[in-house]
Amino acid sequence: AQTVTQSQPEMSVQEAETVTLSCTYDTSESNYYLFWYKQPPSRQMILVIRQEAYKQQNATENRFSVNFQKAAKSFSLKISDSQLGDTAMYFCAYNVPGSEKLVFGKGTKLTVNP
Amino acid sequence: GAVVSQHPSRVICKSGTSVKIECRSLDFQATTMFWYRQFPKQSLMLMATSNEGSKATYEQGVEKDKFLINHASLTLSTLTVTSAHPEDSSFYICSARDRASGGYEQYFGPGTRLTVT
Repeated sequence: AQTVTQSQPEMSVQEAETVTLSCTYDTSESNYYLFWYKQPPSRQMILVIRQEAYKQQNATENRFSVNFQKAAKSFSLKISDSQLGDTAMYFCAYNVPGSEKLVFGKGTKLTVNP
Repeated sequence: GAVVSQHPSRVICKSGTSVKIECRSLDFQATTMFWYRQFPKQSLMLMATSNEGSKATYEQGVEKDKFLINHASLTLSTLTVTSAHPEDSSFYICSARDRASGGYEQYFGPGTRLTVT
């Protein structure tokens, strides 16, 4: 069964600094999608970034970028110039090929301190 | 784009009654919608996958007679919690996939907090 592991239950960072959240996954598939979602205190899930496994180039969305290491099955999220509004739970998710389901990790609670 | 609404945002009901939660895709057609349950400080647990015009597919351990799902149109799916009990109190979240976009990301509604007294 596919699993997604986020090994950091909680992290904190100072405003304007950079932080990296870790995610590893287990799959035998070669083509799949990976996502990072953000859930702020409002509990609205927001898509942060997505990566298609067949693309070698790491995805980037403004201050958010990923380090996708396919062989290592690693998909970390880097947040640059952290802002107070980045305080949230961050969930890594994997799309199960052949289905439309997402498998979520347990999440990392990120706190950005002023 | 890709906005999903959910109604109500909060509901309190008495034990034994039924509650209906609506999930709508506002600016796209969602042939597939998903229903999740989230306990405090935990991840999302997929309850069922809802396909327009067909029966929902429930995850193992989810009682389909208790959690009735109807996906009658391309923009609306409903979850009815029947004969609710206090243990059904939770945060319920729906999501939808915009198949026309070609991607597999899901767009989420804002969630419904259900409290059963």
